[in-house]
Amino acid sequence: RKEVEQDPGPFNVPEGATVAFNCTYSNSASQSFFWYRQDCRKEPKLLMSVYSSGNEDGRFTAQLNRASQYISLLIRDSKLSDSATYLCVVIDLGGGGNKLTFGTGTQLKVEL
Amino acid sequence: EPEVTQTPSHQVTQMGQEVILRCVPISNHLYFYWYRQILGQKVEFLVSFYNNEISEKSEIFDDQFSVERPDGSNFTLKIRSTKLEDSAMYFCASGRDGDYGYTFGSGTRLTVV
Repeated sequence: RKEVEQDPGPFNVPEGATVAFNCTYSNSASQSFFWYRQDCRKEPKLLMSVYSSGNEDGRFTAQLNRASQYISLLIRDSKLSDSATYLCVVIDLGGGGNKLTFGTGTQLKVEL
Repeated sequence: EPEVTQTPSHQVTQMGQEVILRCVPISNHLYFYWYRQILGQKVEFLVSFYNNEISEKSEIFDDQFSVERPDGSNFTLKIRSTKLEDSAMYFCASGRDGDYGYTFGSGTRLTVV
């Protein structure tokens, strides 16, 4: 089973639409969770952390369900500039490493 | 906004040659990393560095790879004898701790010919 699994997409949505991405992770001991955004041939950029209580940053809402080992990202009123690949990222703390484990990413294309 | 700086942005090298990829992490960060991304594939962990030593490394990070932080600012990745399959984008990242995510550099595209 993959450590972090995402639907690769692409999700093609019209401008203004609401779109949701899901992610599952296999390690129940995972401690920290993030969504990153990656534009074509660019570095991953931190979009937001994900907390069990749910957190919102403008048009973006992230949610964590530890029992189901499931993470979600909701984008409301999508813009053309939201077109990118969205990476689900998990950190398994300990050992001084704190490495990030990436999903394969979900590609979003927002169209006129 | 503080940045992680990587040089060069693109390096072409012949198979079997040594390459050194350079990174300047954010100054007050404590954790340093190298990741790589082969074209069309996911970002993969190579190595983490904390308290002046390697804290974790992946299966990819074999004896051909090494890291150094020689002067307290630069963080380098050396590949001793490059192979064709080492062609990838190499990202350096740094972080303050595990709760805040990490900042990535813009990457070095390594092409082995």
